[in-house]
Amino acid sequence: SYELTQPPSVSVSPGQTARITCSGDALPKKYAYWYQQKSGQAPVLVIYEDSKRPSGIPERFSGSSSGTMATLTISGAQVEDEADYYCYSTDSSGNHRRVFGGGTKLTVL
Amino acid sequence: QVQLQESGPGLVKPSETLSLTCAVSGYSISSGYYWGWIRQPPGKGLEWIGSIYHSGSTYYNPSLKSRVTISVDTSKNQFSLKLSSVTAADTAVYYCAREVPTGFDYYFDYWGQGTLVTVSS
Repeated sequence: SYELTQPPSVSVSPGQTARITCSGDALPKKYAYWYQQKSGQAPVLVIYEDSKRPSGIPERFSGSSSGTMATLTISGAQVEDEADYYCYSTDSSGNHRRVFGGGTKLTVL
Repeated sequence: QVQLQESGPGLVKPSETLSLTCAVSGYSISSGYYWGWIRQPPGKGLEWIGSIYHSGSTYYNPSLKSRVTISVDTSKNQFSLKLSSVTAADTAVYYCAREVPTGFDYYFDYWGQGTLVTVSS
């Protein structure tokens, strides 16, 4: 079955740049998406189609993808960015399977 | 503004069927898009359960396919999830969400607040 792999945790100080990676064999063919989930809340889309930012998402959030790895970058991370981040994509084998990565806990302190 | 709201029993007995409904407001299901269910066990990550198009065509997670049924009721502007033969491993927060087909893949843009379903006798 198709999997997306993320590091369990990333830690940065406020104002530093946080980078969260997501690896998956289908990423050269499929877009990566990123969701932010704060404690007790529903996920919120922060990046779509590898690098596009939905309206209302701060400019410090950016995304990129190269080969089998996608990266979410938070430039100048703020305390309020502390959350779980999930990458998401679809299987390229034709079975239309949607897949979430295991999630990365971002700590900003 | 599109809004989704999950409803259903918060407690289900082992071996029984979990049933949830997602009411959609601010958008007509029959106008298009896919509509999906995602779950999250306590302290764990997100798992896609399945999705349905307004016409009724469905896609299910292969790991759950034998136990899942998703249906849509356009007259009530809602869609539903049934998960049979539940065990404690099915205890989770269940989210419904609108899913955007891009012609290339799919992604979820609007989510409900989620509802906790506990499987216990």
